[in-house]
Parts: sequence; C-alpha cells; structure tokens
Amino acid sequence: EPEVTQTPSHQVTQMGQEVILRCVPISNHLYFYWYRQILGQKVEFLVSFYNNEISEKSEIFDDQFSVERPDGSNFTLKIRSTKLEDSAMYFCASRRTGTGDTQYFGPGTRLTVL
Amino acid sequence: EDKVVQSPLSLVVHEGDTVTLNCSYEVTNFRSLLWYKQEKKAPTFLFMLTSSGIEKKSGRLSSILDKKELFSILNITATQTGDSAIYLCAVGSYNTDKLIFGTGTRLQVFP
Repeated sequence: EPEVTQTPSHQVTQMGQEVILRCVPISNHLYFYWYRQILGQKVEFLVSFYNNEISEKSEIFDDQFSVERPDGSNFTLKIRSTKLEDSAMYFCASRRTGTGDTQYFGPGTRLTVL
Repeated sequence: EDKVVQSPLSLVVHEGDTVTLNCSYEVTNFRSLLWYKQEKKAPTFLFMLTSSGIEKKSGRLSSILDKKELFSILNITATQTGDSAIYLCAVGSYNTDKLIFGTGTRLQVFP
C-alpha cells in the first residue's frame, strides 16, 4: 500500500541554521500539507499546498518558513533560521481528490534545535 | 475559535476489556470527523465520519458520530496489547482545508 515517506527521521541543528525537511507524498495525491507537533501538545496545521501554490497557511507559518515542490515527487519544508521553539515533530500529509478530508500522514521528522 | 476536545486523556486497561474514547467538537461549518491511531510514527487513518448515526466498523473498532450533540465515540472491543497507542480525533470544516486536532487519548493495554 502506498505511503507518505519523510526524510530525515531525525534532524539536529544549531539555532539560526537553515533546515530542509523532505517528503514524498503518495503518487496520485494532489493536496499536500505540513503539520507539526510540539512534545506533549496537539498536532498543529502549518500549511497546505495545491497546484504548485500555497492554498492556506497558519499564523505559525511566518516568513521563516517556505514550501516547495521542486519536482514531480518531492515536497519540502524549509525553515530559514531555526529557533529553539521550532523543535517539534513535523508531519507531512497528502490526500487525493474525492476522498473528503482523509489525509494520509508520513512518519514525521523530529527536529531538535540546540 | 474552533476546538476539538478528547477524553479521557489517558486510559489503562487489561487485554479483553472494551474501551470507549470520546471526541467533542465546536467547529464552524463542520464537514467531517476523522479518527487516527498514532503509534511511534505516522498517525494512521482509521475512520472518516460525515453523517450522524451511521456506525463505521473495522474489525474490533467502531465509531459513530452525533452531529446534533457534536461528538463522536470510538469503541474498541476485546482490546489487545497491539491497540496501545495514542488515538487522535480530527475535524474538517468547509471553511478550511486543514484538519483540527484534539490532544489525543493515550491507551495502554496490558496483558
């Protein structure tokens, strides 16, 4: 069964450094998402992406964040200058047309900012 | 503000017990309610509910939605240790493409 994949599984970085989190959505899906989960807190929406552009973003998704679909398979989240409070699990999700709200999640990337 | 509340936060049971997990919501222009199981990695999809009173069932798991009282329950019968996980409830709205999540219920099943 097709799955969303994410790399790396764990990323450790110094404050102020740039990180790129990578996702490969399920191949026939057209809608892509990033969520994050700070330890002990709820899963929070960051951004949704459709037809090569951002369709919706949350207040968390400020100028430090960007997303890109550089080719036909990858979907990336870039954090330009990481802060301690960016430490979290980052989940990528995708869905296809006609399945309502059913989003399929990847295994996550644990980002630790020191 | 839209919100999704799950209860209990944590539940410890023995194998063979039946459990009921609750999810209540206040979301403008409700569209659907989804249940996910989160073990060590990805939240895995269990059910999507859009209509009141229609039970969705998969093996020992079942779920139902009440759109009048704004809640859903997830039942697990004859629990097994493999059911140990965090169960997440999420709500979709016609106003937005995102899912709004609750805090989750941590279920621990002991032999």
